[in-house]
Amino acid sequence: EVQLAETGGAVIQPGGSLRLSCAASGFTFKKYSMHWVRQGPGKGLEWISLIRGGGGGIDYADTVKGRFTISRDNRKNSLYLQMNSLRTDDTALYYCVKEHDTGWPNFDHWGQGTLVTVSS
Amino acid sequence: SSELTQDPAVSVALGQTVRITCQGDSLRVFPTSWYQQKPGQAPLLIIYSTTNRPSGVPDRFSGSSSVNTASLIITGAQAEDEADYYCCSRDISGNLIIFGGGSQLTVL
Repeated sequence: EVQLAETGGAVIQPGGSLRLSCAASGFTFKKYSMHWVRQGPGKGLEWISLIRGGGGGIDYADTVKGRFTISRDNRKNSLYLQMNSLRTDDTALYYCVKEHDTGWPNFDHWGQGTLVTVSS
Repeated sequence: SSELTQDPAVSVALGQTVRITCQGDSLRVFPTSWYQQKPGQAPLLIIYSTTNRPSGVPDRFSGSSSVNTASLIITGAQAEDEADYYCCSRDISGNLIIFGGGSQLTVL
C-alpha cells in the first residue's frame, strides 16, 4: 500500500524558513517523479514543484521560484521542500504527491498534508 | 494563456447527469486529470489522461475533451458525489502544472 506522510509544518513568522519532509513507502520511490501541491485555507489546489525520479529535472511555480527548493533522498525514500523567505500567502496545507505510472499531470497518491501557517 | 477555468458551483438532481467543464488553451495539446476532494480529505484521482478511470472509481465517472475544453461527466449522480472537483493539466509551455479553480458540486 502506497503511503505518503508529510511532516514539518509549523507556525512561522514572515521571512522565516521551514523544511518539510515526506516519507514514502509501498512503491519503488526512485522510479517516480514527486510533487508538492498546496492548498490555502478555503482555496483551491496549487501545484508548486516537481522533482524527477533521479533527482535531476526540477521545476517550480513562479510563485515560489527562488524561495523554495525541492530535493529528494532515494536511499531514504524521502522528499523534501526547503521554504525560505516565507510570506503570509504561503500559508497552506502542503501535500506530497506521487505521479501515476502514466506521468504528470496524473497524481495517483496524496499524503494527508502538513499545515504551514505564516503569521506574525 | 496558462489558466484553467471552471465554473465555481455546479448542481445536479439526484440520479441525473452532470457535466463539469474545464477550459484552457493548453488543453488543445495536453491531457487532463480530475480530482475529487471532500471536506477534510486529500484529493482523489478520478480521471487521468483525459478519459481513463483508475481502478476503484465508480464507472458513473467519465472524462472527455473537445478542442480547448475538458469535461468530467457524472452519469447518475449520487449523494456521495457532493464534493469539490478540480481539473489539472500542463501550462501552455508544457513545463509546469496548473489546476483549475475548482467546481463545488451540489447534489439536490
